[in-house]
Amino acid sequence: DADVTQTPRNRITKTGKRIMLECSQTKGHDRMYWYRQDPGLGLRLIYYSFDVKDINKGEISDGYSVSRQAQAKFSLSLESAIPNQTALYFCATSDLIGQGVSFGPGTRLTVL
Amino acid sequence: EDQVTQSPEALRLQEGESSSLNCSYTVSGLRGLFWYRQDPGKGPEFLFTLYSAGEEKEKERLKATLTKKESFLHITAPKPEDSATYLCAVIQGAQKLVFGQGTRLTINP
Repeated sequence: DADVTQTPRNRITKTGKRIMLECSQTKGHDRMYWYRQDPGLGLRLIYYSFDVKDINKGEISDGYSVSRQAQAKFSLSLESAIPNQTALYFCATSDLIGQGVSFGPGTRLTVL
Repeated sequence: EDQVTQSPEALRLQEGESSSLNCSYTVSGLRGLFWYRQDPGKGPEFLFTLYSAGEEKEKERLKATLTKKESFLHITAPKPEDSATYLCAVIQGAQKLVFGQGTRLTINP
Protein backbone atom coordinates (compact mmCIF):
# COMPACT_ATOMS: atom_id res chain seq x y z
CA ASP A 1 0.00 0.00 0.00
CA ALA A 2 1.13 3.55 -0.73
CA ASP A 3 2.54 5.56 2.19
CA VAL A 4 0.59 8.70 1.24
CA THR A 5 -2.85 8.35 -0.31
CA GLN A 6 -5.13 11.00 -1.72
CA THR A 7 -8.82 10.85 -2.53
CA PRO A 8 -10.32 11.46 -4.95
CA ARG A 9 -7.69 11.13 -7.68
CA ASN A 10 -9.76 13.07 -10.15
CA ARG A 11 -12.64 15.47 -9.57
CA ILE A 12 -14.69 17.66 -11.85
CA THR A 13 -16.92 20.20 -10.15
CA LYS A 14 -18.79 23.38 -10.91
CA THR A 15 -18.14 26.95 -9.88
CA GLY A 16 -19.50 27.67 -6.41
CA LYS A 17 -19.50 24.08 -5.16
CA ARG A 18 -17.80 23.08 -1.92
CA ILE A 19 -15.36 20.22 -2.25
CA MET A 20 -12.94 18.40 0.02
CA LEU A 21 -9.72 16.65 -0.87
CA GLU A 22 -8.47 14.08 1.60
CA CYS A 23 -5.02 12.83 2.46
CA SER A 24 -3.95 9.93 4.64
CA GLN A 25 -0.47 8.71 5.49
CA THR A 26 1.05 5.66 7.09
CA LYS A 27 4.59 7.03 7.35
CA GLY A 28 4.12 8.18 10.94
CA HIS A 29 5.22 11.71 10.04
CA ASP A 30 4.03 14.63 12.14
CA ARG A 31 4.27 17.21 9.36
CA MET A 32 1.80 17.37 6.51
CA TYR A 33 1.50 19.78 3.59
CA TRP A 34 -0.83 20.69 0.75
CA TYR A 35 0.73 21.89 -2.50
CA ARG A 36 -0.81 23.06 -5.73
CA GLN A 37 0.89 22.58 -9.11
CA ASP A 38 0.13 24.63 -12.20
CA PRO A 39 1.96 24.47 -15.54
CA GLY A 40 4.83 26.95 -15.54
CA LEU A 41 4.36 27.89 -11.88
CA GLY A 42 5.79 24.86 -10.16
CA LEU A 43 4.66 23.63 -6.76
CA ARG A 44 3.23 26.23 -4.40
CA LEU A 45 2.44 25.69 -0.74
CA ILE A 46 -1.18 26.17 0.32
CA TYR A 47 -1.20 25.08 3.98
CA TYR A 48 0.98 23.06 6.30
CA SER A 49 0.59 21.44 9.71
CA PHE A 50 3.21 20.25 12.16
CA ASP A 51 0.82 18.44 14.47
CA VAL A 52 -2.90 18.08 15.09
CA LYS A 53 -3.12 21.44 16.89
CA ASP A 54 -0.91 23.36 14.48
CA ILE A 55 -2.12 24.83 11.16
CA ASN A 56 -0.20 27.38 9.11
CA LYS A 57 -0.91 29.28 5.92
CA GLY A 58 1.37 28.89 2.96
CA GLU A 59 1.93 31.32 0.11
CA ILE A 60 -1.47 30.80 -1.59
CA SER A 61 -4.02 30.01 1.14
CA ASP A 62 -6.82 32.37 0.01
CA GLY A 63 -9.91 30.41 -1.01
CA TYR A 64 -8.77 27.26 0.83
CA SER A 65 -9.13 25.84 4.31
CA VAL A 66 -7.71 22.73 5.97
CA SER A 67 -8.45 20.36 8.80
CA ARG A 68 -5.99 18.08 10.60
CA GLN A 69 -8.29 15.38 11.93
CA ALA A 70 -5.53 13.14 13.24
CA GLN A 71 -1.79 12.73 12.91
CA ALA A 72 -2.38 10.69 9.78
CA LYS A 73 -5.15 12.73 8.12
CA PHE A 74 -5.08 16.18 6.58
CA SER A 75 -7.90 17.46 4.39
CA LEU A 76 -8.11 20.46 2.07
CA SER A 77 -11.41 22.23 1.39
CA LEU A 78 -12.48 24.67 -1.26
CA GLU A 79 -15.50 26.44 0.21
CA SER A 80 -16.70 27.86 -3.09
CA ALA A 81 -14.70 26.54 -6.03
CA ILE A 82 -13.72 28.85 -8.88
CA PRO A 83 -12.21 27.99 -12.29
CA ASN A 84 -8.72 29.30 -11.46
CA GLN A 85 -8.49 26.65 -8.76
CA THR A 86 -8.24 24.08 -11.52
CA ALA A 87 -4.90 22.43 -10.85
CA LEU A 88 -3.07 19.34 -9.64
CA TYR A 89 -3.09 19.11 -5.84
CA PHE A 90 -0.51 17.19 -3.84
CA CYS A 91 -0.41 16.18 -0.23
CA ALA A 92 3.03 15.66 1.27
CA THR A 93 4.49 14.56 4.58
CA SER A 94 7.82 14.90 6.31
CA ASP A 95 9.64 13.97 9.45
CA LEU A 96 12.51 16.41 9.82
CA ILE A 97 12.38 19.00 7.03
CA GLY A 98 16.05 18.41 6.37
CA GLN A 99 15.11 15.04 4.96
CA GLY A 100 12.71 16.51 2.40
CA VAL A 101 9.07 15.65 1.89
CA SER A 102 7.26 12.61 0.52
CA PHE A 103 4.44 13.27 -1.92
CA GLY A 104 1.13 11.57 -2.54
CA PRO A 105 -0.06 10.66 -6.05
CA GLY A 106 -2.03 13.87 -6.53
CA THR A 107 -5.62 14.92 -7.18
CA ARG A 108 -6.49 16.45 -10.52
CA LEU A 109 -9.22 19.02 -9.89
CA THR A 110 -11.20 20.71 -12.65
CA VAL A 111 -13.59 23.54 -11.84
CA LEU A 112 -15.99 24.37 -14.65
CA GLU B 1 13.13 36.65 -0.75
CA ASP B 2 14.15 33.03 -1.20
CA GLN B 3 14.09 32.00 -4.85
CA VAL B 4 14.80 28.91 -6.89
CA THR B 5 15.27 29.16 -10.66
CA GLN B 6 15.73 26.16 -12.91
CA SER B 7 17.09 26.13 -16.45
CA PRO B 8 16.43 25.24 -19.11
CA GLU B 9 12.63 24.94 -18.92
CA ALA B 10 12.76 22.05 -21.38
CA LEU B 11 15.56 19.92 -22.77
CA ARG B 12 15.43 17.36 -25.52
CA LEU B 13 18.34 14.92 -25.90
CA GLN B 14 19.16 11.86 -27.91
CA GLU B 15 19.66 8.62 -26.06
CA GLY B 16 23.26 8.53 -24.82
CA GLU B 17 23.75 12.30 -25.08
CA SER B 18 24.93 13.57 -21.69
CA SER B 19 23.93 16.97 -20.34
CA SER B 20 23.26 18.99 -17.18
CA LEU B 21 20.28 20.71 -15.60
CA ASN B 22 20.80 23.84 -13.53
CA CYS B 23 19.18 25.03 -10.30
CA SER B 24 20.14 28.50 -9.08
CA TYR B 25 19.05 29.55 -5.63
CA THR B 26 19.05 32.54 -3.32
CA VAL B 27 18.38 31.66 0.29
CA SER B 28 19.66 32.89 3.61
CA GLY B 29 21.79 30.11 4.99
CA LEU B 30 21.20 27.03 2.87
CA ARG B 31 20.14 24.10 5.05
CA GLY B 32 19.34 21.66 2.27
CA LEU B 33 18.76 21.43 -1.48
CA PHE B 34 16.62 18.66 -2.89
CA TRP B 35 16.17 17.10 -6.32
CA TYR B 36 12.95 15.33 -7.27
CA ARG B 37 11.81 13.50 -10.37
CA GLN B 38 8.19 13.81 -11.50
CA ASP B 39 6.50 11.68 -14.13
CA PRO B 40 3.36 13.04 -15.86
CA GLY B 41 0.30 12.89 -13.62
CA LYS B 42 2.25 11.56 -10.64
CA GLY B 43 3.68 12.93 -7.43
CA PRO B 44 7.32 14.02 -7.26
CA GLU B 45 9.73 11.28 -6.26
CA PHE B 46 12.73 12.10 -4.07
CA LEU B 47 16.17 11.74 -5.67
CA PHE B 48 18.86 13.55 -3.65
CA THR B 49 19.55 15.89 -0.76
CA LEU B 50 22.66 18.10 -0.73
CA TYR B 51 23.63 20.08 2.34
CA SER B 52 26.91 21.88 1.70
CA ALA B 53 28.96 23.30 -1.17
CA GLY B 54 31.18 20.68 -2.76
CA GLU B 55 28.89 17.81 -1.91
CA GLU B 56 27.99 15.30 -4.63
CA LYS B 57 25.44 12.47 -4.76
CA GLU B 58 25.01 9.80 -7.42
CA LYS B 59 22.29 7.40 -8.44
CA GLU B 60 22.58 5.33 -11.59
CA ARG B 61 22.98 7.82 -14.48
CA LEU B 62 22.34 10.88 -12.31
CA LYS B 63 24.81 12.93 -10.31
CA ALA B 64 23.91 16.02 -8.31
CA THR B 65 26.47 18.64 -7.31
CA LEU B 66 26.24 21.78 -5.19
CA THR B 67 28.02 25.12 -5.07
CA LYS B 68 27.24 28.18 -2.97
CA LYS B 69 24.88 29.55 -5.62
CA GLU B 70 23.65 26.64 -7.70
CA SER B 71 23.22 22.94 -8.11
CA PHE B 72 23.62 20.82 -11.19
CA LEU B 73 21.96 17.54 -12.05
CA HIS B 74 24.26 15.76 -14.49
CA ILE B 75 22.75 13.04 -16.65
CA THR B 76 25.25 10.65 -18.20
CA ALA B 77 24.32 8.53 -21.22
CA PRO B 78 20.57 8.97 -20.62
CA LYS B 79 17.94 6.48 -21.65
CA PRO B 80 14.33 7.14 -22.71
CA GLU B 81 13.13 6.07 -19.25
CA ASP B 82 14.97 9.08 -17.79
CA SER B 83 12.40 11.33 -19.47
CA ALA B 84 10.58 13.27 -16.74
CA THR B 85 10.36 16.68 -15.12
CA TYR B 86 13.15 17.30 -12.62
CA LEU B 87 12.39 19.61 -9.72
CA CYS B 88 14.78 21.42 -7.41
CA ALA B 89 13.81 22.75 -3.97
CA VAL B 90 15.46 24.47 -0.99
CA ILE B 91 14.46 24.73 2.65
CA GLN B 92 12.90 28.09 3.46
CA GLY B 93 13.03 29.33 7.01
CA ALA B 94 12.75 26.48 9.47
CA GLN B 95 10.03 24.38 8.02
CA LYS B 96 9.13 24.65 4.35
CA LEU B 97 10.39 23.79 0.89
CA VAL B 98 10.45 26.28 -1.98
CA PHE B 99 10.41 24.69 -5.43
CA GLY B 100 11.67 25.80 -8.81
CA GLN B 101 9.45 25.47 -11.87
CA GLY B 102 11.24 22.36 -13.05
CA THR B 103 13.04 21.20 -16.18
CA ARG B 104 11.12 18.95 -18.54
CA LEU B 105 13.59 16.42 -19.94
CA THR B 106 12.84 14.30 -23.00
CA ILE B 107 15.20 11.55 -24.15
CA ASN B 108 14.61 10.38 -27.69
CA PRO B 109 15.55 6.80 -28.63
